[in-house]
Amino acid sequence: AQTVTQSQPEMSVQEAETVTLSCTYDTSESDYYLFWYKQPPSRQMILVIRQEAYKQQNATENRFSVNFQKAAKSFSLKISDSQLGDAAMYFCAYRSAPGNQFYFGTGTSLTVIP
Amino acid sequence: GAGVSQSPSNKVTEKGKDVELRCDPISGHTALYWYRQSLGQGLEFLIYFQGNSAPDKSGLPSDRFSAERTGGSVSTLTIQRTQQEDSAVYLCASSLVTRGNTEAFFGQGTRLTVV
Repeated sequence: AQTVTQSQPEMSVQEAETVTLSCTYDTSESDYYLFWYKQPPSRQMILVIRQEAYKQQNATENRFSVNFQKAAKSFSLKISDSQLGDAAMYFCAYRSAPGNQFYFGTGTSLTVIP
Repeated sequence: GAGVSQSPSNKVTEKGKDVELRCDPISGHTALYWYRQSLGQGLEFLIYFQGNSAPDKSGLPSDRFSAERTGGSVSTLTIQRTQQEDSAVYLCASSLVTRGNTEAFFGQGTRLTVV
């Protein structure tokens, strides 16, 4: 099974500032997909952003962007202009291309300070 | 349906009782996943279904846990002789398998409390 590691159990950021959440993974596969999910207190998991491993360009969705370093097996999430509604648990996930299993990291709890 | 539906939302049961948790995936999604999330923790994989078969059930923590899926749709996770350590949120997700970049869509989970 692939391993996904999130080394920051907790992070905090001032409102309107930028924060980066780290994620690394271990795989021998060349083709795979990476995702960041957000889980607010409501428990509902929400997709934030996705990245295909074969694409060199980093994915961007409004205030959210990733820094995908394939050789380093690193997939960090940058949140710009942080808002109070960004406070949540964030999970990094890996999905292999040939298989259908999703592997999740242990999560990073993000606090946004007004 | 519009999204993944799980029932019940909350379940309180006495130690030693059996419980059934239900997941109704998005129509057309052939992949279905069960995860367990203990308080403040990450997602622990339990089992994965492709259609009605379970090619990966490696995450089931003990033989008290079982799951089935019928008609390629609804899935039931059964926990027999519940223990206090079974208390957690049980999340179900479904996904298309035709495209690997398709995300897993999650239900809101069932919070199980064993007293």
